[in-house]
Amino acid sequence: AQRVTQPEKLLSVFKGAPVELKCNYSYSGSPELFWYVQYSRQRLQLLLRHISRESIKGFTADLNKGETSFHLKKPFAQEEDSAMYYCALSGGYQKVTFGTGTKLQVIP
Amino acid sequence: DSGVTQTPKHLITATGQRVTLRCSPRSGDLSVYWYQQSLDQGLQFLIQYYNGEERAKGNILERFSAQQFPDLHSELNLSSLELGDSALYFCASSVDLRGATDTQYFGPGTRLTVL
Repeated sequence: AQRVTQPEKLLSVFKGAPVELKCNYSYSGSPELFWYVQYSRQRLQLLLRHISRESIKGFTADLNKGETSFHLKKPFAQEEDSAMYYCALSGGYQKVTFGTGTKLQVIP
Repeated sequence: DSGVTQTPKHLITATGQRVTLRCSPRSGDLSVYWYQQSLDQGLQFLIQYYNGEERAKGNILERFSAQQFPDLHSELNLSSLELGDSALYFCASSVDLRGATDTQYFGPGTRLTVL
């Protein structure tokens, strides 16, 4: 079974502070991992995926197979980063599993 | 705008009733996914269709069913509605040439309220 755990429901940080949104997964094979973001009153959209190894809006995420983690990081939080963030896992020709989400609140 | 459309935007109905939610995927996308988002349970995968056929099932109740039509639009049918079915229902689509690892593009959602 595949599982995604986002331990924090809410993460509050001050503007300019570093951000780390935690994501741990459980999957026996080689997963593909994603971070999706949902800004207020907007639809869910892809932020980044681990195979791209790219930085989007200053966010990066590294897949750590040893710790089965895919934490999302940004060195300096901005107010426009406030949103709901979902970590997701796909095991190929199977369903995509989303975590329960973490609400990031950036305090001015 | 991701190109995925969902209708209706809002739906208010009573317990015991049946409703149909509709989703049109992005042009060229073969896979459609349905999700339920509630305050206490986050985003729950319900079901996936690929080119008209059911591919994967998640936490979908027996009272719920879905189908994907030849033109690739999909409908989610919810019957014998209960208060707890009140939620935001999202549809997403992907090209799905390599399985479920493609990026999913989400629709704006249908907010269902069961009174």
